[in-house]
Amino acid sequence: EVQLLESGGGLVQPGGSLRLSCAASGFTFSSYAMNWVRQAPGKGLEWVSAISGSAAGIYNAGSTYYADSVKGRFAFARDSTKNTMYLQMNSLRAEDTAVYYCAKGESVGAVGTGFDYWGQGTLVTVSS
Amino acid sequence: SYELTQPPSVSASPGQTASITCSGDKLGDKYASWYQQKPGQSPVMVIYQDSKRPSGIPERFSGSNSGNTATLTISGTQAMDEADYYCQAWDSSTAVFGGGTKLTVL
Repeated sequence: EVQLLESGGGLVQPGGSLRLSCAASGFTFSSYAMNWVRQAPGKGLEWVSAISGSAAGIYNAGSTYYADSVKGRFAFARDSTKNTMYLQMNSLRAEDTAVYYCAKGESVGAVGTGFDYWGQGTLVTVSS
Repeated sequence: SYELTQPPSVSASPGQTASITCSGDKLGDKYASWYQQKPGQSPVMVIYQDSKRPSGIPERFSGSNSGNTATLTISGTQAMDEADYYCQAWDSSTAVFGGGTKLTVL
């Protein structure tokens, strides 16, 4: 059974930093593209970032992609030895306040597929 | 940047067919996915690669994608289908979601 479990959310001041984690189980973690998607309170879904899987080939494996709204501030990394992925969030702004979900790509390898499994989400609140 | 447009709300009576559209430039050239989200819950994929249903999704959920419009169709709508629905596609290594459609089952 595929499981994704986020952690690390909380209250942070504007300009601060936070690192989210997502522990994965039930599938070959390294092979699949993984994603972060967020949802501001009462709003729709917004894709944040993706990282390609090892099955994307030697040139594309581990490539990262970001929404313009977070580019240069957020960094996505994965540790396949721990089946865990991380979202390092720096220079946080009030508009980054949201529930952050990790989501698994439905096909092995490259990004560009749908998201077939989602975590329960972790709330990040940016406020003074 | 690429945009996907959905109607804010759609309503259907129990047993009727509900259709939710998603519009984007040359969307038919991309794969569309659809997600169902109920209040306080994480999204659930109901359609991927335009028309495929993940394991465990009822047959009453179907999808199509052509031209500039992808459509999610729920045949024989049930009260349990009342939820927000989001379409999603990729453009230039960026994932895009539609704004969401609230389906009300009257």
